[in-house]
Amino acid sequence: RKEVEQDPGPFNVPEGATVAFNCTYSNSASQSFFWYRQDCRKEPKLLMSVYSSGNEDGRFTAQLNRASQYISLLIRDSKLSDSATYLCAVNRGGFKTIFGAGTRLFVKA
Amino acid sequence: SQTIHQWPATLVQPVGSPLSLECTVEGTSNPNLYWYRQAAGRGLQLLFYSVGIGQISSEVPQNLSASRPQDRQFILSSKKLLLSDSGFYLCAWSVRGGREKLFFGSGTQLSVL
Repeated sequence: RKEVEQDPGPFNVPEGATVAFNCTYSNSASQSFFWYRQDCRKEPKLLMSVYSSGNEDGRFTAQLNRASQYISLLIRDSKLSDSATYLCAVNRGGFKTIFGAGTRLFVKA
Repeated sequence: SQTIHQWPATLVQPVGSPLSLECTVEGTSNPNLYWYRQAAGRGLQLLFYSVGIGQISSEVPQNLSASRPQDRQFILSSKKLLLSDSGFYLCAWSVRGGREKLFFGSGTQLSVL
């Protein structure tokens, strides 16, 4: 079993839709959680950290469920520019951050 | 502001040839530095990290090596490339003490033929 797992998708949604991604992690000692966005053939860019209390940044909301060991990302009012691959990342407190393989999102007009 | 430079952007190399990828960071001191590899359709795999000059930790045994000759310079090398070394190589940095948030360079797409 992979340490961090994501549904690869793709998720195809119309503009304006709300879409949610989940990511599960297997190591209960994980301490830090993140969502990264990666455009095709580009580097991942940090989208947001994920906190236990949940956090919001504009149209993006991230949540952490430690009991069930998953993190989620909700995108409201999807834009064409949101089309990308979304990577979840988990860190156990050391130097090693484990990435999921990513979920592909296509937002269509 | 901090910037990270990585080159070349693309590289096509024959099997058995050497490799040298370079990464430099500007605008920060004493960063933690990382090399990741991303195979097609897969997650990022940590190859090496470094907390200081000359200090290299390897995460995956392989025919690659890394060096940090200067505080803000990180180099990935190989003496003889294998077909399985093909992939998207990413250099990243994090703030010392804030190591979880990673900031990536633009990556090198390596094709070994």
